[in-house]
Amino acid sequence: GQQVMQIPQYQHVQEGEDFTTYCNSSTTLSNIQWYKQRPGGHPVFLIQLVKSGEVKKQKRLTFQFGEAKKNSSLHITATQTTDVGTYFCAVKGGTYKYIFGTGTRLKVLA
Amino acid sequence: SAVISQKPSRDICQRGTSLTIQCQVDSQVTMMFWYRQQPGQSLTLIATANQGSEATYESGFVIDKFPISRPNLTFSTLTVSNMSPEDSSIYLCSVVEGRDYGYTFGSGTRLTVV
Repeated sequence: GQQVMQIPQYQHVQEGEDFTTYCNSSTTLSNIQWYKQRPGGHPVFLIQLVKSGEVKKQKRLTFQFGEAKKNSSLHITATQTTDVGTYFCAVKGGTYKYIFGTGTRLKVLA
Repeated sequence: SAVISQKPSRDICQRGTSLTIQCQVDSQVTMMFWYRQQPGQSLTLIATANQGSEATYESGFVIDKFPISRPNLTFSTLTVSNMSPEDSSIYLCSVVEGRDYGYTFGSGTRLTVV
């Protein structure tokens, strides 16, 4: 089945440093979603990207969809301890069905 | 967005027994999804549950092991049958309210099989 790889698997940063996670697909995507899961919590939807080259911002978070619609990135500027968690991308596997990426676990050291 | 109440939040079960997980949504939704998340891993889709029809299972998941009910547009259950320690996981239900929306997840059921 379709696999969605995320890199890195883990990232430890000092508070205030930037962080980026990348999501890569072997196939062209119709859209891509990003989720955040805090430790012990459930995934929470962050954003959906649809257009080639699309860039969306949510405060310190910047989401980008690749020109070829095969990859995406999530960049956090000046991380804070509240950014701790695992970030997942998710790609369409059916009309409403999504396949989740492998995830990137972020730790922020105060 | 929809609010989902999922229970139980956690359980410890003996091998060979079954556990039924319930999800109640505060609005009517066409499609509900059941995911499994093994410790430290990503989410794997078990099945899609539509009201009034049989659930659609993903490869590697079968109805005898994970029977699902969807009696109406606000409720669904997932049963984990004849459990073994390998079934220890977090089970999550989710809904989507439209094509431009992401999933809303329940708070999850943390299952430990001993």
